[in-house]
Amino acid sequence: DTGVSQNPRHKITKRGQNVTFRCDPISEHNRLYWYRQTLGQGPEFLTYFQNEAQLEKSRLLSDRFSAERPKGSFSTLEIQRTEQGDSAMYLCASSRQLMNTEAFFGQGTRLTVV
Amino acid sequence: AQKITQTQPGMFVQEKEAVTLDCTYDTSDQSYGLFWYKQPSSGEMIFLIYQGSYDEQNATEGRYSLNFQKARKSANLVISASQLGDSAMYFCAMREANTGNQFYFGTGTSLTVIP
Repeated sequence: DTGVSQNPRHKITKRGQNVTFRCDPISEHNRLYWYRQTLGQGPEFLTYFQNEAQLEKSRLLSDRFSAERPKGSFSTLEIQRTEQGDSAMYLCASSRQLMNTEAFFGQGTRLTVV
Repeated sequence: AQKITQTQPGMFVQEKEAVTLDCTYDTSDQSYGLFWYKQPSSGEMIFLIYQGSYDEQNATEGRYSLNFQKARKSANLVISASQLGDSAMYFCAMREANTGNQFYFGTGTSLTVIP
């Protein structure tokens, strides 16, 4: 297994456009997380899945954001009508459900909204 | 309230010296786990060390050790014999049983190792 994979690595989009990011987790991990990170800050929780079920969404997540994990494998994060404030690094991580196991992170997708 | 607090935005340490990065946490759960991650300038998040709430001994992983003080709700990371490659952002994180085992992160500490 090559770890958590995210695509694309970079995305530049015009304000108002929709963007979609993909995350392929480690295959045996049933938990998948999305985080947003801005410069100099820690990862900010967006949402997470256990298998195909989306268990929690951050209250900070506007209705322009949606995430799916069909069949409990890869996940997509879509941002509709992007705004300049959406510019950030979007990190995906996966883990086993057990609390004493760490999350493995992908290399992130850097979004720039112009 | 913040689940994880890291009060040191930036730290400097001389090469080969030890450094302690502070982390305090807030939870009412008895069952939780504490994690430290390193994020170099390249951006990837690298897992360093884990401490469980029921672990009686402080965790150690090579040059990394975790100074776990449960009563004070602190989980400080100690890096011994600092190396230039240790320069990075360091994040403390917590996973607690009563919130579905998701990860909460602090705001991080930027560590610079001086030659």
